Amino acid sequence: DVVMTQSPLSLPVTLGQPASISCRSSQSLVDSDGNTYLNWFQQRPGQSPRRLIYKVSNRDSGVPDRFSGSGSGTDFTLKISRVEAEDVGVYYCMQGTHWPRTFGQGTKVEIK
Amino acid sequence: EVQLVESGGGLVQPGGSLRLSCAASGFTFSSYSMHWVRQAPGKGLVWVSRIKSDGSSTNYADSVKGRSTISRDNAKNTLHLQMNSLRAEDTGVYYCARSSNLDYWGQGTLVTVSS
Repeated sequence: DVVMTQSPLSLPVTLGQPASISCRSSQSLVDSDGNTYLNWFQQRPGQSPRRLIYKVSNRDSGVPDRFSGSGSGTDFTLKISRVEAEDVGVYYCMQGTHWPRTFGQGTKVEIK
Repeated sequence: EVQLVESGGGLVQPGGSLRLSCAASGFTFSSYSMHWVRQAPGKGLVWVSRIKSDGSSTNYADSVKGRSTISRDNAKNTLHLQMNSLRAEDTGVYYCARSSNLDYWGQGTLVTVSS
């Protein structure tokens, strides 16, 4: 199985400051169709997960532009340019290239 | 508006069975693959199973393979997960999610396996 490794697992951030989460995969996530199926999800406290980013860098509708995704191959990053109070929660990366699908362990973002 | 509503969770003894359902609305259900994802209490997300849009292909995590069956009824816009020989480690909230890249999620249904 493809192992997804996130870091850090806990991320205290000051309001208005940037935040960055790393996600590394144990195998390349480039599919045979040329696409890279790396997604990012946000799970606010007490809520269901919500997709933020798909195929590395595509923001979902309604997702603030302070969220951005980047990376290639096995190394990916989610960045929040200026953290707001509503960004508190756990963030997961997930690979959609190989079976079985696998998630990272999650990164808990909290306000300092 | 896309809506996914799970049901069928509950308390079951080890070795028992449960059938989860996910009612879909607001989109053409038969055009999308569907997934189940589990979240144990206080833990992360674990992918469980997926079924292709027409039901012709399925995939399972090793942890449930041979004990669970994913199915769908496109006429009724409903997704199912039949879980047998349940174990304590199957405990958690089960979410259904739409499409290859899980773009919409339901609110989840809680399964508790305990004696």
